[in-house]
Amino acid sequence: DAKTTQPNSMESNEEEPVHLPCNHSTISGTDYIHWYRQLPSQGPEYVIHGLTSNVNNRMASLAIAEDRKSSTLILHRATLRDAAVYYCIAAGYSTLTFGKGTMLLVSP
Amino acid sequence: DAGVTQSPTHLIKTRGQQVTLRCSPKSGHDTVSWYQQALGQGPQFIFQYYEEEERQRGNFPDRFSGHQFPNYSSELNVNALLLGDSALYLCASSLEYDEQFFGPGTRLTVL
Repeated sequence: DAKTTQPNSMESNEEEPVHLPCNHSTISGTDYIHWYRQLPSQGPEYVIHGLTSNVNNRMASLAIAEDRKSSTLILHRATLRDAAVYYCIAAGYSTLTFGKGTMLLVSP
Repeated sequence: DAGVTQSPTHLIKTRGQQVTLRCSPKSGHDTVSWYQQALGQGPQFIFQYYEEEERQRGNFPDRFSGHQFPNYSSELNVNALLLGDSALYLCASSLEYDEQFFGPGTRLTVL
């Protein structure tokens, strides 16, 4: 799995968009970019994943740089329930290597 | 659908003892992975089971072992417990190589 670098924490206001960055400069051609989040006192929750093209689902959007060395998770309108630790993982599908992630704080 | 369930939710053991944690995967899932999450850290991969065989293993000693049953449920066993084994143990299930669904975890405290 490739090493990923994320900011330790970010802050947002409710109803505003949030862009969570991730660097994965050593990503291999077959590695997917996965995003999971972990709410307090819960197990991680799948958010989104992609390989080369930008991806959208009901939870978020994933923007992947053309060289695949970085990506951005976009929450279009943050809510208080989005306050969590967000993990970016560059890996195949079989195993996930979690770093420390980004703690997202959302203010009303 | 009950999702991934784990038991027990909390457990207290003393050094040197053995512990068994249990996981029932989400309905239809055939692959179970186990993770250890220390306080303030991200989850660390222990091993993954598929078709009752250990398919991949992370950097954990042999004291950590597991099993998958024909109904896809799984157990994680830890022998000769150390203080450093205190952590949240997470089970995740998936349909082979699809995204993983995590359970709420078992909080293990070793005294």
